[in-house]
Amino acid sequence: SQQGEEDPQALSIQEGENATMNCSYKTSINNLQWYRQNSGRGLVHLILIRSNEREKHSGRLRVTLDTSKKSSSLLITASRAADTASYFCATDDAYNQGGKLIFGQGTELSVKP
Amino acid sequence: SQTIHQWPATLVQPVGSPLSLECTVEGTSNPNLYWYRQAAGRGLQLLFYSVGIGQISSEVPQNLSASRPQDRQFILSSKKLLLSDSGFYLCAWSVQRGYTGELFFGEGSRLTVL
Repeated sequence: SQQGEEDPQALSIQEGENATMNCSYKTSINNLQWYRQNSGRGLVHLILIRSNEREKHSGRLRVTLDTSKKSSSLLITASRAADTASYFCATDDAYNQGGKLIFGQGTELSVKP
Repeated sequence: SQTIHQWPATLVQPVGSPLSLECTVEGTSNPNLYWYRQAAGRGLQLLFYSVGIGQISSEVPQNLSASRPQDRQFILSSKKLLLSDSGFYLCAWSVQRGYTGELFFGEGSRLTVL
């Protein structure tokens, strides 16, 4: 079953602009994570936000979480061409302690120099 | 430090042939292990996950199977491949906790079934 849904599916911006990606999910969670994937490579973890947190920062990344709306956003500030990649949100299930993590369909970000 | 190895990186197989993809993790004990599949331009579909030796949870009914013969070894298999099995297969591991934390991914195995 699909848990996380990202939008937009694709985003094209100029270097220096900010990029915002959104994620919605369906069940109660313990945490929500964001990952990055360069074309043809494995995923790399970016940031984890717990269900009792509302905002978290890591370098140029800012993640917000609204558990009442079951949504999260990832903001990349001052984007660079090297930020070009696909970005995925992933959620666990607060009622399933078995270690399962479900990914969304991703947002494909293109940053033009 | 922990590392994850996944192989082969690329393979082309005829329909009806068997499949074996292998994943091993080094530098940690008793990890959660995962197999995901990614179709072209799509998100990741969870196929199997394991919280211990011999403990496999299957998420999607299909002609694939997974085994965990050793603590840090996870194998994805098929007896007879279908065209629809083509895709990018990713193995991952995480630390066992009361919640699912960060996943560490391998570099993937690209399977083309002809």
